[in-house]
Amino acid sequence: AQRVTQPEKLLSVFKGAPVELKCNYSYSGSPELFWYVQYSRQRLQLLLRHISRESIKGFTADLNKGETSFHLKKPFAQEEDSAMYYCALQNTGFQKLVFGTGTRLLVSP
Amino acid sequence: EAQVTQNPRYLITVTGKKLTVTCSQNMNHEYMSWYRQDPGLGLRQIYYSMNVEVTDKGDVPEGYKVSRKEKRNFPLILESPSPNQTSLYFCASSSTGLGAYEQYFGPGTRLTVT
Repeated sequence: AQRVTQPEKLLSVFKGAPVELKCNYSYSGSPELFWYVQYSRQRLQLLLRHISRESIKGFTADLNKGETSFHLKKPFAQEEDSAMYYCALQNTGFQKLVFGTGTRLLVSP
Repeated sequence: EAQVTQNPRYLITVTGKKLTVTCSQNMNHEYMSWYRQDPGLGLRQIYYSMNVEVTDKGDVPEGYKVSRKEKRNFPLILESPSPNQTSLYFCASSSTGLGAYEQYFGPGTRLTVT
């Protein structure tokens, strides 16, 4: 069965500090992994997907199949990064997404 | 503008009174899905549809119904709402096929059942 674990409910950092939001998954096949973000009073939106290997708003995430992890990182957090972050897994060739329980990131000035 | 719309955005109702939450997308997406978002539980899938007239249960389908008569619309029906269905509901859509497709989410519908 597919499962996504985000161990931290809340991550609180100061502006300029590095950020790492943890995500671990369990899936027997070859997963597609995503990070979605929800800013206050806004709809959920895609932040990045692992196949793109891109950096969005300074965030990056590397898929580590050995550790079954897809942690989200940013070297210098900004106040506007404060939001709810969800890690999600999609099985190959199918659109069903399984979400983690989310991590609230709070960046203080 | 490409978007997913939901109506109503807010709804307060009483136990047992049937309601429908509409969802519409203008991106010609085959796939549509409903999720509920609850504190500490994240987003859980209720029902999804791979195309017109094709629907299937997600992880928490009890107490809900859906239909997909047209490609753009995917209404969520609560025949007899109960207080445990008080939640924030999101509709989403995406393209289908091999690949990591982005899901586009609606603005959410906050439902309170008293």
